[in-house]
Amino acid sequence: EPEVTQTPSHQVTQMGQEVILRCVPISNHLYFYWYRQILGQKVEFLVSFYNNEISEKSEIFDDQFSVERPDGSNFTLKIRSTKLEDSAMYFCASSVEWGQPQHFGDGTRLSIL
Amino acid sequence: ILNVEQSPQSLHVQEGDSTNFTCSFPSSNFYALHWYRWETAKSPEALFVMTLNGDEKKKGRISATLNTKEGYSYLYIKGSQPEDSATYLCASAGGGNTGKLIFGQGTTLQVKP
Repeated sequence: EPEVTQTPSHQVTQMGQEVILRCVPISNHLYFYWYRQILGQKVEFLVSFYNNEISEKSEIFDDQFSVERPDGSNFTLKIRSTKLEDSAMYFCASSVEWGQPQHFGDGTRLSIL
Repeated sequence: ILNVEQSPQSLHVQEGDSTNFTCSFPSSNFYALHWYRWETAKSPEALFVMTLNGDEKKKGRISATLNTKEGYSYLYIKGSQPEDSATYLCASAGGGNTGKLIFGQGTTLQVKP
């Protein structure tokens, strides 16, 4: 069965550094998402993306965050200048359509030191 | 602001017991309700997407019901097995049709052999 794949599985970065989290959505999916879960908290929506545009973003998704689909297969989340509070598990997801089940990757654990 | 709540937070049952959990969500501006099953060290797996009031969906021993007027959904597991041990997440897709999911905190089920 097709899967959403995320790399790396774990990223350790110094505060203030830039990080790029990578995702390969399922190939025939057109709708893409990033979520995160800070330890002990709920899974939080960050951003949804369709047709090379952001469809919706949360308050968390400030100017330090950006998303890109650079080559038709990868979907990336960039954090320009990381903060301690960015430490979380970041999940990429994709779906065939809005309102259809979202398929999640295994996540990237981001640790900011 | 959407607030999705789940109860109980955790549940321990014996193999063979039937169990159920609750998800409550704001009934205004409802679009869809998603259920996911999340095993430790794996990615969340979609169980159901429910949209219609009174809807009932079934997948093997797992079923779910939806009441959009009062804003709740129940997930039932009949004859629990150890492999059902996981965290069960519900998420509300609000209006706006952007795929954004607002998650509850999850119910963690432990089934003892």
